[in-house]
Amino acid sequence: QVQLVQSGAEVKKPGASVKVSCKSSDHTFNSYWMHWVRQAPGQGLEWMGIINPSGDTTMYAQKFQGRVTMTRDTSTSTVYMEMSSLRSEDTAVYYCARGLATRPNYDYFDPWGQGTLVTVSS
Amino acid sequence: QSVLTQPPSVSGAPGQRVTISCTGSSSNIGAGYDVHWYQQLPGTAPKLLIYGNTNRPSGVPDRFSGSKSGTSGSLAITGLQAEDEANYYCQSFDIRLNNWVFGGGTYLTAL
Repeated sequence: QVQLVQSGAEVKKPGASVKVSCKSSDHTFNSYWMHWVRQAPGQGLEWMGIINPSGDTTMYAQKFQGRVTMTRDTSTSTVYMEMSSLRSEDTAVYYCARGLATRPNYDYFDPWGQGTLVTVSS
Repeated sequence: QSVLTQPPSVSGAPGQRVTISCTGSSSNIGAGYDVHWYQQLPGTAPKLLIYGNTNRPSGVPDRFSGSKSGTSGSLAITGLQAEDEANYYCQSFDIRLNNWVFGGGTYLTAL
């Protein structure tokens, strides 16, 4: 059973940056596109972006463009999501998820990481 | 405001059948993109429940079923159990936004 294990909770001040990691237990990890999704407290799920298997192609939701960078280390089966210029509204649980699809853009997400709480507070 | 619209809450008595709707538009579900469903128990990560409109991953009880018609998808749960109390989210792709999108979520209460 594939597992995605994320890094621990973070507390950051407004204006700072945070980098969240997501490591796979599966040797086939490097064959899959990986997504990031966030969930603010008491709110729904929000798609943030995607990175391809080799790590050289990314696509971000418009609201995160310029502030989010997704990278990948294929040697350690780990993906990263870095967000800069943090503000209080970025307080949320951040999830990584493997994308599975029968054809482009038909992705569904399975499995998900356990989530990483990022708290932005002065 | 979510691109896909779900009712905020639904409820049913144990043993009953409940349905959760997911309404999209011509740029997502109506454009032919699949609807997928996730269950999120309190304090946990979402879990895939239905993929490709109607398919259940192994381990998901056959009490859960999905369907799609036009610009909407639907999740049905039969033989409702107390353990089904959770948030349920639909998900698809939007060609206008060039984004994957979620519904706002529906909280299911087993009365």
